[in-house]
Amino acid sequence: EVQLVESGGGLVQSGGSLRLSCTASGFIFSDHYMDWVRQAPGKGLEWVGRIRNKPNSYTTEVAASVKGRITISRDDSKNSLYLQMNSLKTEDTAVYYCARVSTRIDVFDIWGQGTMVTVSS
Amino acid sequence: DIQMTQSPSSLSASVGARVTITCQASQGITNYLNWYQQKPGKAPKLLIYDASNLETGVPSRFSGSGSGTDFIFTISSLQPEDIATYYCQQHKNFPLTFGGGTKLEI
Repeated sequence: EVQLVESGGGLVQSGGSLRLSCTASGFIFSDHYMDWVRQAPGKGLEWVGRIRNKPNSYTTEVAASVKGRITISRDDSKNSLYLQMNSLKTEDTAVYYCARVSTRIDVFDIWGQGTMVTVSS
Repeated sequence: DIQMTQSPSSLSASVGARVTITCQASQGITNYLNWYQQKPGKAPKLLIYDASNLETGVPSRFSGSGSGTDFIFTISSLQPEDIATYYCQQHKNFPLTFGGGTKLEI
């Protein structure tokens, strides 16, 4: 079964750090670009960032709202994607989804179930 | 950044009704527009890609059209299981951006 499972969410104080993980199964992880998308409680979807695959030098793109505070990385040997978040703010409170980018078209074709990050003041 | 404006933000319709949602981009995005469905407590699901292409396995009552800055998402005959929030998303430029969502109720 093609699946993405996030972990690492929780409660953290403002200014703190957190590392989210996303473990993939059922497909060739290394072939795909991978993204993070978040959703604040009761709000819409917000794209966080992307990491490309090895043929594209693992380059990243990140949203301005998190630039300088997050690092997206991956370990293809572990079929895992990571989101390191530093200097967390209360406005970073959200469900964080990892999403697979299709190799055919630029869409999010597989999503994880999400992991909740709560930043308290 | 490309702003995506969806309307309406919420919509109530009856089973069997035709439902239309619009999405407007702040600048031309050709056909680089996807539509997702999100049910409460669940992750989004891809329905339409590149403005008008139906994702495999998605019922044919869902359709999309448009290009440039103006796009339309249609459910031809609303079913109870279509209760969800729908989002458009552009992939012309980074940062990727979503519309604000349309919450559909029966």
